[in-house]
Amino acid sequence: AQSVTQLDSQVPVFEEAPVELRCNYSSSVSVYLFWYVQYPNQGLQLLLKYLSGSTLVKGINGFEAEFNKSQTSFHLRKPSVHISDTAEYFCAVSTNTGNQFYFGTGTSLTVIP
Amino acid sequence: EPEVTQTPSHQVTQMGQEVILRCVPISNHLYFYWYRQILGQKVEFLVSFYNNEISEKSEIFDDQFSVERPDGSNFTLKIRSTKLEDSAMYFCASRIGTSNLETQYFGPGTRLLVL
Repeated sequence: AQSVTQLDSQVPVFEEAPVELRCNYSSSVSVYLFWYVQYPNQGLQLLLKYLSGSTLVKGINGFEAEFNKSQTSFHLRKPSVHISDTAEYFCAVSTNTGNQFYFGTGTSLTVIP
Repeated sequence: EPEVTQTPSHQVTQMGQEVILRCVPISNHLYFYWYRQILGQKVEFLVSFYNNEISEKSEIFDDQFSVERPDGSNFTLKIRSTKLEDSAMYFCASRIGTSNLETQYFGPGTRLLVL
């Protein structure tokens, strides 16, 4: 079975500071990894995904994530956050043996002016 | 840009009542999903639907739940007799094809409150 852990439920950070949102997963098979963002009153929007190849993945809005197989992690980073990055961020995994996603509990990022 | 839409955005119902949550997936997508998120908990998979039948479902998706694609555009989730613990945000998602490499596109969700 697959599971995803997002250790930080809330992350406050000052504007223009860097941020890292942590995601760890467990799986007995190869995984595909995703980060989604949810702005207030909107659906989940894909930020980036790792399917194969380079372990450093760049996404929209200046975000990037690094797949670390040995640490079973897929942490999301941004070097300088904006007020508009305030949102809920979800890490998710899927596998090639089933078509559902397994989500973490989400991290609420609040950017402080 | 095409998007998944869901109606209603909020629904309040009495325990034991039936509810139908509606979704309009992206028009050329073939795979459809329902997920739910109980407040403070993980987003959980409920069911996936392809070619007019359920392709996968979780243990949450018991006999109280059903899904339907009644008219080629809508994708509905019905809860026959709601329980208090059905209170959650319900997300619909769709995907263009059958590969797990493809992105799932999510709607904004319906917040269901069962009293």
